[in-house]
This record gives sequence, C-alpha cells and structure tokens, in this order.
Amino acid sequence: DTGVSQDPRHKITKRGQNVTFRCDPISEHNRLYWYRQTLGQGPEFLTYFQNEAQLEKSRLLSDRFSAERPKGSFSTLEIQRTEQGDSAMYLCASSLPTGGHTDTQYFGPGTRLTVL
Amino acid sequence: KQEVTQIPAALSVPEGENLVLNCSFTDSAIYNLQWFRQDPGKGLTSLLLIQSSQREQTSGRLNASLDKSSGRSTLYIAASQPGDSATYLCATYNFNKFYFGSGTKLNVKP
Repeated sequence: DTGVSQDPRHKITKRGQNVTFRCDPISEHNRLYWYRQTLGQGPEFLTYFQNEAQLEKSRLLSDRFSAERPKGSFSTLEIQRTEQGDSAMYLCASSLPTGGHTDTQYFGPGTRLTVL
Repeated sequence: KQEVTQIPAALSVPEGENLVLNCSFTDSAIYNLQWFRQDPGKGLTSLLLIQSSQREQTSGRLNASLDKSSGRSTLYIAASQPGDSATYLCATYNFNKFYFGSGTKLNVKP
C-alpha cells in the first residue's frame, strides 16, 4: 500500500448533475477525513469517520452532500444537484491516531471538481 | 472557531537564502500543529508535527517552532533550494479536526 488514493482525479460536470468521489485510505488507518480546498485557500474540514462511524460533519456539508464509509475501509463523497460554487479540490486524508493527541494525516492527491 | 493566518501570502527569494514563514492562530487550546507542503494541483505532504507540549521540531533543513501562549508558529527553511518552491500550509489540531491557514506560496529562484 503506497498511500491514500482518490478517484477520479478530475471531474467536469454540468450544474444540477450528481457526482460521486471515492477515497481509499492507507489500509490500517481507522480515521478518514474529507476536506474541500478552493483556489488560494487552505483545506476546510468537511467530515470525518472513525472506522465506519461518521463522527462529525461541518456546517459546510449541506444536505446536498453525503459521505459514507460502509465497511470502514474506502469512503465515498456524493454531491447532489451540483452548483458552480461546489467547484473545488476535494481532499481525502487518513490517519491512525496513536494516542497523546498525535494524529498525522496522510493526504491523497485530491479530486478536482469543475461545475459548468 | 479557530482562525489560522499565514503571513506572507507569497514570497520570492534567491537560492541559498534562509527564510521564515509565519503562522498565527486564535485559540491556543491546540493539541498539535503541523506544517505541510503542497505542490501545484497535488495533495499535502506533512513536513513537521509539533505537539502542544513541545517548543520546536527539526527535520533536515527545516525547523518549526511553537509558542502556544502567543498563538504563533514559525517554519524556518535554511539554505533554500529551487526544489523548495511550493505552498506551505500550517494547521492546528483542535477538537479532532485540522484548521488550516491559507498558505504561503514560496518561489525560490535559481
């Protein structure tokens, strides 16, 4: 296992369409995070999973967004009825917390979404 | 909510210079702070992690310091090289999530 992978790397869609992204974390990592990054900004937290449980969701994650991690391994992020404002890089990260509040996150290459 | 600010937003230096990137944060109740590197169109690579109880961490030509009480961290890069050109992001870890600054875009000219 060489790291976190994301698919697709690029997605162009028309406004109103639904899109789904996939993230495969490092195999032994039990935490998985989704972030959104717009041009010139740092990543913003969207949600995270501990195994299959979704423990927290940001207010940025409107009801058009849904994330799942059904078996505690890969995760999907779906955006329904896409809007132009959804255009961004969607980053996934995974980690294996070792206690003492140390949580080194390993990031995937991201999925760049363009909504026309 | 934690606010993380990075100054400067962009920096251009000639090769060989030593440089300092700055990061400030509003909530000092952090568990740790990390510095990341991001190359254009790519994901993030963790460079250094400083626990809240630590004052600094070093890795090769990189040295990061943390002053939690004043809400500041610095990343020192010694003898900069063109390969160091990238965006550098700092992030605090509070309440099970990271809060990122908007980054400093570094260009090291040969």
